[in-house]
Amino acid sequence: AQSVTQLGSHVSVSEGALVLLRCNYSSSVPPYLFWYVQYPNQGLQLLLKYTSAATLVKGINGFEAEFKKSETSFHLTKPSAHMSDAAEYFCAVSPPANAGGTSYGKLTFGQGTILTVHP
Amino acid sequence: DAGVTQSPTHLIKTRGQHVTLRCSPISGHKSVSWYQQVLGQGPQFIFQYYEKEERGRGNFPDRFSARQFPNYSSELNVNALLLGDSALYLCASSLAGTSARGGSTDTQYFGPGTRLTVL
Repeated sequence: AQSVTQLGSHVSVSEGALVLLRCNYSSSVPPYLFWYVQYPNQGLQLLLKYTSAATLVKGINGFEAEFKKSETSFHLTKPSAHMSDAAEYFCAVSPPANAGGTSYGKLTFGQGTILTVHP
Repeated sequence: DAGVTQSPTHLIKTRGQHVTLRCSPISGHKSVSWYQQVLGQGPQFIFQYYEKEERGRGNFPDRFSARQFPNYSSELNVNALLLGDSALYLCASSLAGTSARGGSTDTQYFGPGTRLTVL
């Protein structure tokens, strides 16, 4: 079974500082990986996704993530935090190719990381 | 273009009652997935439907059921509500259910959710 671990349930940074949100996955073969953001009382918005093409993935709002197979990681970064980045961030995996069975379309999410940005 | 819409936005029920949640996908999307997000946790996969057929099921009891209509909208039904069913229920739509080999790179676009409170 696939799983996702997000290290740190809360991360606090100053405006203009580097944002680093950590995500590690467990899968026998490289899965497809996603980062979503959730603002209070809203649904999830896709930031970026990795689908076995380039290992460095650029997303919206200046975010990017690097897939590292050797470390089974997919950490999310942004060079300079903005106040509007304050939200909860979720890393997710979907079944790799040939998964079959009842796992079609299933996204498995991490527990989330709340990002706070201080002025 | 309209995004994924869900109704109602909020709902209060008592234990033992039944509830129906509704979802309309983005125009042109044929797949709908349902997730349950308990406060403080990441979303948990409940079902995926594609072309009116169930393509994936998460680890939820039979009290949870769903269906997809010819216009690709979907309903999630929960019978015999328990206090633990209180959560944000998210619907996501995507173009197709899965790739031919089982994995899915299709982006899932999420609606704003229905907040269910069971008293």
